[in-house]
Amino acid sequence: DQQVKQNSPSLSVQEGRISILNCDYTNSMFDYFLWYKKYPAEGPTFLISISSIKDKNEDGRFTVFLNKSAKHLSLHIVPSQPGDSAVYFCAASGDTSGTYKYIFGTGTRLKVLA
Amino acid sequence: NAGVMQNPRHLVRRRGQEARLRCSPMKGHSHVYWYRQLPEEGLKFMVYLQKENIIDESGMPKERFSAEFPKEGPSILRIQQVVRGDSAAYFCASLMGVNTEAFFGQGTRLTVV
Repeated sequence: DQQVKQNSPSLSVQEGRISILNCDYTNSMFDYFLWYKKYPAEGPTFLISISSIKDKNEDGRFTVFLNKSAKHLSLHIVPSQPGDSAVYFCAASGDTSGTYKYIFGTGTRLKVLA
Repeated sequence: NAGVMQNPRHLVRRRGQEARLRCSPMKGHSHVYWYRQLPEEGLKFMVYLQKENIIDESGMPKERFSAEFPKEGPSILRIQQVVRGDSAAYFCASLMGVNTEAFFGQGTRLTVV
């Protein structure tokens, strides 16, 4: 039962262009969403989060959009840089089954081409 | 995320031995999560702990695996009688409270030979 899905395993983008990473969720009890970046052999690094009371949150080059009716969120990176090449995970949290678990998607590998 | 300390970074165990993975959360954080990542897969939730309490262990195998977060000291993930299928990267994350940013450690890579 995959409650958080990232349907694109990989994405290639030219340097300077926009990268759009997508994430879908199924549990309507999720009310807090996060994006993480992960390099090989390192732990995930927090990027940006959004609460369900908002539909957009921006931090520098990173913007997260939340569409609650579609149960969909996306991460926009603009402009993309070669250093952004990594695996990106979305995560969701909420009062599911009485506890606040952070459920992760399977990740999207982003490659930014110089 | 340098504030969350996991050790050891690499651990090699023979089949049947015990593995102990340690996680020291960031200062002021009383919530700890453990995740497992198999090669080419995502992060799978294992267990959620607060100080001295297991809140949710629904992602942890019923046998051989246990976790604790004592009042003093790090959180420990313990795997008894390891098998080859336990080989994975184990990450812990700490946070101050629910629905706040979770900060991850660098992980422990367990190899069972």
